[in-house]
Amino acid sequence: EIVLTQSPATLSLSPGERATLSCRASQSVSSYLAWYQQKPGQAPRLLIYDASSRATGIPARFSGSGSGTDFTLTISSLEPEDFAVYYCQQRSDWPPLTFGGGTKVEIK
Amino acid sequence: EVQLLESGGGLVQPGGSLRLSCAASGFSFSTYVMSWVRQAPGKGLEWVSTISGRGATTYYADSVKGRFTISSDNSKNTLYLQMINLRAEDTAVYYCTKDDYGGIFGYWGQGSLVTVSS
Repeated sequence: EIVLTQSPATLSLSPGERATLSCRASQSVSSYLAWYQQKPGQAPRLLIYDASSRATGIPARFSGSGSGTDFTLTISSLEPEDFAVYYCQQRSDWPPLTFGGGTKVEIK
Repeated sequence: EVQLLESGGGLVQPGGSLRLSCAASGFSFSTYVMSWVRQAPGKGLEWVSTISGRGATTYYADSVKGRFTISSDNSKNTLYLQMINLRAEDTAVYYCTKDDYGGIFGYWGQGSLVTVSS
């Protein structure tokens, strides 16, 4: 089973700042990594798939990079609606499909 | 517009059974891979099960294998998750998802809460 480790667990930033979230895989997942955003009381939403492709309707301030075992989700300038929990997920080797533990982006 | 509407959740005793349904609309249901993902209260996301388009192949997490069964009825555009021998650790919000490209959870339902408690 591929284990995904996200860091940091919590990121405290102000609106307008740049957010950099990390996801590290226990073995190579090539580029088969996705990122999801979840707000309180809501279902997750797909942001990025295959490491760097934005899903339909996702603003350009969200970008993904990386391959192999190290991946980054960057939010170039935080908007108030971006404060949420973010999860990475791999589909390289499954079952099982696995998620990281999440990074909470909170308002500083 | 893709819509996924789960139903069937509720309170059940340990050892009990429950069937979740997910009514799908806005896309060609029979041609898509569909999955269930769950989230225990205050915890992260956990993949539960996936079914291929037309239901030919199913996959399960080890934690539910032998107790949960995923199925689909293409005539009703509905996905199901039959759960038996439920345990306290199965308590979670269960999300129905439409998968893109196999293993990408492109669309999510609003979730259905299953609580296993005596």
